[in-house]
Amino acid sequence: SQKIEQNSEALNIQEGKTATLTCNYTNYSPAYLQWYRQDPGRGPVFLLLIRENEKEKRKERLKVTFDTTLKQSLFHITASQPADSATYLCALGGYGQNFVFGPGTRLSVLP
Amino acid sequence: DAGVIQSPRHEVTEMGQEVTLRCKPISGHDYLFWYRQTMMRGLELLIYFNNNVPIDDSGMPEDRFSAKMPNASFSTLKIQPSEPRDSAVYFCASSSTGTGIDWGNQPQHFGDGTRLSIL
Repeated sequence: SQKIEQNSEALNIQEGKTATLTCNYTNYSPAYLQWYRQDPGRGPVFLLLIRENEKEKRKERLKVTFDTTLKQSLFHITASQPADSATYLCALGGYGQNFVFGPGTRLSVLP
Repeated sequence: DAGVIQSPRHEVTEMGQEVTLRCKPISGHDYLFWYRQTMMRGLELLIYFNNNVPIDDSGMPEDRFSAKMPNASFSTLKIQPSEPRDSAVYFCASSSTGTGIDWGNQPQHFGDGTRLSIL
């Protein structure tokens, strides 16, 4: 069955450092991979989408990579700030396949 | 522009009661999704609609759950009768049509959810 794993339940880093979150999947061939941010008591907010034929995507301090051979996506936040503290979810989709969210990683950026 | 609007934000009711959750998608979006989020199972897709028509309800847990979309600006998710294990946060999301026939290449816009507690 399809399975998505995100590196750890929680990740603590120091302000100013780069946060790297991972999303690994098995038994799935996604055409797209999306990353969302979720704050407590709020719905997920879309951040970035990367297609299977794209290696890397950037948006301001965010960078996403997608390696279909390793079945892995990496999500980087450079120069992290306490305001980046949230839960980050990856989601996989593709024609004819279920759209599935990962369990999320709770990121805490410490001042 | 207003985002996805869900009501109520919180609902506490007793087991066996009927629960109705409501959603107003973003105007112009033709896809609507209902999700359930719990600590144990994460965010799960229950059902989605395209142009008000249910396309895939394979995620609906039981016959006690039903969803309707009578028009482009309103959808309901109903649980009857409700049980304590239905307690969760229910989210509605909407998106526009992707390229081709694959909606997965479009961002989904989520409401802030309904926190449901069944006692």
